Amino acid sequence: GNSVTQMEGPVTLSEEAFLTINCTYTATGYPSLFWYVQYPGEGLQLLLKATKADDKGSNKGFEATYRKETTSFHLEKGSVQVSDSAVYFCALSGRGAQKLVFGQGTRLTINP
Amino acid sequence: EAGVVQSPRYKIIEKKQPVAFWCNPISGHNTLYWYRQNLGQGPELLIRYENEEAVDDSQLPKDRFSAERLKGVDSTLKIQPAELGDSAVYLCASSLAAVTDTQYFGPGTRLTVL
Repeated sequence: GNSVTQMEGPVTLSEEAFLTINCTYTATGYPSLFWYVQYPGEGLQLLLKATKADDKGSNKGFEATYRKETTSFHLEKGSVQVSDSAVYFCALSGRGAQKLVFGQGTRLTINP
Repeated sequence: EAGVVQSPRYKIIEKKQPVAFWCNPISGHNTLYWYRQNLGQGPELLIRYENEEAVDDSQLPKDRFSAERLKGVDSTLKIQPAELGDSAVYLCASSLAAVTDTQYFGPGTRLTVL
């Protein structure tokens, strides 16, 4: 079945550092890929998405590129801020599957 | 525009007691989802509705869990009786239609079973 694997956390960085959170997936066909973020005390919010190979999703300085050849969708940001501290979830939806399959989440803490 | 509303935000009950969670999706969203999120894990789908119809309930433990979505708007998820292992955050989400549309999540209900 479909599955998502994220790099284990927690991840702690200093402000203005470069961020990468790895995400790889297993799926049949051509899934859509998502990154969701959960800020402390809040619900899950869609951060970015990509629906086909080589697409790049971007939002709030974050980027992720759909790499079919490596079955990956790594999240990157060039310069993180304290306000980026949150839990980040990679997810996929298989064609016709009509549901999201999530990774286990990566907790990110940014220190000033 | 109002987001997905859930209540209560927190619930503490004794095992074997019943509990219910309520969700009001974004206006006009036909698809509604209930997920369960265990501590340190990603959400897992319990049930998906298209309007009033439950079209995917394969992951719903039907011996103790039930859900309904009357009139295709609000939804209620019930557990009876609750077990210790049901302690989790229960999330409701909605989308306009197919899952490739963005799913909008509510804040969740944190259930603690003692």
